[in-house]
Amino acid sequence: DAKTTQPNSMESNEEEPVHLPCNHSTISGTDYIHWYRQLPSQGPEYVIHGLTSNVNNRMASLAIAEDRKSSTLILHRATLRDAAVYYCILQGGSNYKLTFGKGTLLTVNP
Amino acid sequence: GAVVSQHPSRVICKSGTSVKIECRSLDFQATTMFWYRQFPKQSLMLMATSNEGSKATYEQGVEKDKFLINHASLTLSTLTVTSAHPEDSSFYICSASLLALYNEQFFGPGTRLTVL
Repeated sequence: DAKTTQPNSMESNEEEPVHLPCNHSTISGTDYIHWYRQLPSQGPEYVIHGLTSNVNNRMASLAIAEDRKSSTLILHRATLRDAAVYYCILQGGSNYKLTFGKGTLLTVNP
Repeated sequence: GAVVSQHPSRVICKSGTSVKIECRSLDFQATTMFWYRQFPKQSLMLMATSNEGSKATYEQGVEKDKFLINHASLTLSTLTVTSAHPEDSSFYICSASLLALYNEQFFGPGTRLTVL
């Protein structure tokens, strides 16, 4: 499975934007970039995914580099409820498996 | 969005007993279900993938005779931990997916298993 690299932790202030980076230099042409997040003692929650173009939804935006070797999850206005571990995962073609790395622990300060 | 439930949410059992965990997709039919295990302060580890009506595919290192998976319908998968030991204590999470190009997975809330 292609690997992703994320910072172990990041900190943000409430109501400020947050940019969570992810490096995936070995990404293949058919790999989708998925982001999930997990609150303590809960199952992960889907955030967003993309292939080549930037994506927006009600939760976040996903900015994908032109060479696709990195991406950034953008939370436009962080809230205390956004404090979670964020996982950047590559999912390839017909292989539906998700391989979770260590993710980024996001702390949001009031 | 699609909802996945798990039952029970918590279970405590004695060493040597078997425990069954249910995973249900409540408002959609799941073509594939996945079972994960998560130890404290660690990431999720995929245990197995199951498709309705066929045998589960286990990840390397996961004992299929110990972790029995049954996917009898498009809305229900069960994981049975047989002859549980304290080292099996963990957070077990299932997910379900729809047949789609990108195959978003919908996760259950997890089951905390404690083996005494």
